[in-house]
Amino acid sequence: AQSVTQLDSQVPVFEEAPVELRCNYSSSVSVYLFWYVQYPNQGLQLLLKYLSGSTLVKGINGFEAEFNKSQTSFHLRKPSVHISDTAEYFCAVLDRGSTLGRLYFGRGTQLTVWP
Amino acid sequence: DAGVTQSPTHLIKTRGQQVTLRCSPKSGHDTVSWYQQALGQGPQFIFQYYEEEERQRGNFPDRFSGHQFPNYSSELNVNALLLGDSALYLCASSGTPAGTDTQYFGPGTRLTVL
Repeated sequence: AQSVTQLDSQVPVFEEAPVELRCNYSSSVSVYLFWYVQYPNQGLQLLLKYLSGSTLVKGINGFEAEFNKSQTSFHLRKPSVHISDTAEYFCAVLDRGSTLGRLYFGRGTQLTVWP
Repeated sequence: DAGVTQSPTHLIKTRGQQVTLRCSPKSGHDTVSWYQQALGQGPQFIFQYYEEEERQRGNFPDRFSGHQFPNYSSELNVNALLLGDSALYLCASSGTPAGTDTQYFGPGTRLTVL
């Protein structure tokens, strides 16, 4: 089974500052990688995904992530955050060899943006 | 275009009772997956339904069962509820079972077991 580690449970930052949310996975097989965001009392919304090709992936709301195969990481970044980015962020992986969409999630990182 | 909808939004049950949660997938989607999200945790995969059959199952006991209807909507049933079943239950739909297809999540059903 896959294991996903989000290294920071909480990340507080000030508005307009850059942010990086870290994600590492443990896998002996190739994977697809995803970042989801969850706003209070809502379901998960896909921010971005890496399936193949360029290791730098751009998503919605100005977020981007870089896939690093050697370090088995998929860190999420944003150069300048807004208060509206305050939410829980989840990293998820899926085995390339699987024909079914079973996602393995990390425990989440709560991003809090202060004015 | 309606997204994934779930009902009810909140539910309170007592230990030993049974519960049924419902999910309607996004228009055009035929695959439904269920996840359990305990407080402070990431979602955990319960099972996936496609063509009215359970295609894959996570590490959940048989007390958790499901069903998919011909219109692709789905139900999650949990029998003999335990306190540990208290969680947010998320439904996700996609256009195919394949992992490359984006899964769209509903708002969830918050289940509290007393």
